[in-house]
This record gives sequence, C-alpha cells and structure tokens, in this order.
Amino acid sequence: ETGVTQSPTHLIKTRGQQVTLRCSSQSGHNTVSWYQQALGQGPQFIFQYYREEENGRGNFPPRFSGLQFPNYSSELNVNALELDDSALYLCASSLQRGLAAPYEQYFGPGTRLTVT
Amino acid sequence: TQLLEQSPQFLSIQEGENLTVYCNSSSVFSSLQWYRQEPGEGPVLLVTVVTGGEVKKLKRLTFQFGDARKDSSLHITAAQPGDTGLYLCAGGKGNMLTFGGGTRLMVKP
Repeated sequence: ETGVTQSPTHLIKTRGQQVTLRCSSQSGHNTVSWYQQALGQGPQFIFQYYREEENGRGNFPPRFSGLQFPNYSSELNVNALELDDSALYLCASSLQRGLAAPYEQYFGPGTRLTVT
Repeated sequence: TQLLEQSPQFLSIQEGENLTVYCNSSSVFSSLQWYRQEPGEGPVLLVTVVTGGEVKKLKRLTFQFGDARKDSSLHITAAQPGDTGLYLCAGGKGNMLTFGGGTRLMVKP
C-alpha cells in the first residue's frame, strides 16, 4: 500500500509569483484535503476535494485553488504569493464512507514553501 | 480563533514522568482524533474516539473523549524521549476536521 506523497519537498518563490503543489493520495482513498501549517501552529483547513469537485473550503481567499484528478491525485495552486503564505502545506487523503463514519485522514510529509 | 484549544502549548519533562494534554471546545464533535507530528513530517494518526466517555489505550498512551463530546485528553505514562513531538487534536464534523493549535512535548533523557 502506497502512502500519501507530495512534491516538491521544498520550494522558494518570490512575492507575486504563482506556485503549484502536488499530492498523490493513498491507494483506495477518494478524498483529498489541503492544509496550511504555519510554524508552531496546528494545520488550518484550506479545502477538500471529493470526486474531482470542491467539497468544502476554509477561510482562504480565492487565489488558493485546487484540482482533483480521476486517479484522486490533487494540486494546490496559489496565485499572487504573499510573504504570509510561507508555511508547510499538507495534503491528506481519506476514504469518505458517508457522514456517519468517523473521518480519519492520512497525511503526506508536506511541502515547505518560502516566499521572499 | 481556534475552535479547539489545546493546553499546555509547551511541555518539557524528564524521562519517566507522567503528563496529560487537554483539548477543549465549545462545539460538539462526532469524532475526536489525536495526531503526533515530528519536525519535517506530516501528522500521524494515533487514535480516533467517537463515543462520549470513550477511553482508548495505546501502550503508554491513554485517550479519553468527554461525555459531551466537546473535549478530550491524552495521558502519557512514564514518558520517554521518543515521545517528543507535536501532539495535535482534531475534531470531526461530517467530513471535515478542525485542528487545535498543538502541544509541543519535549522529554529529556
């Protein structure tokens, strides 16, 4: 069974640029969630994708966008980068089995984004 | 503002000591999960509790879900240096998870 993988591991961008982060979900999982984790804090929910559609969004501006592909892999795109976007970006995959089931997510190692 | 408040934020103890980490909220959750995160890695799921009052044990770790499903605690017995890390609680509602701010634990040999 392959776990969640993310690429790249580290990235340095300049303010105003655009970035794309990638995630391959764990085998058998149909849902991908993205989180932003600032240094010393807990992960903050950005959005979730289920069956290639956005299935929930946290308090992040529209310049944060995403995609999910038929193989359940996903991308996070951030436009017009700001200094405060510097963080660890985590992808988590899960198997959505209905709202009554406990929701367990399995995280990738993250992409460390630095905006200068 | 965090919907889930964890305390303490930082904890530094000697090997062999016991400790408890708390996770509190004014919201009711359908499930509560605990994760542990080490530097440079993503969070790793430790346990999921779903029933009010539920207690689960994982070796030296004991997890409890409050009767009203608004709070949880993690107790570690005889802590070891390998327990060092960031402990995160996360509350589940439907298919969404809300994380607390984390408790950073350091266990000194």
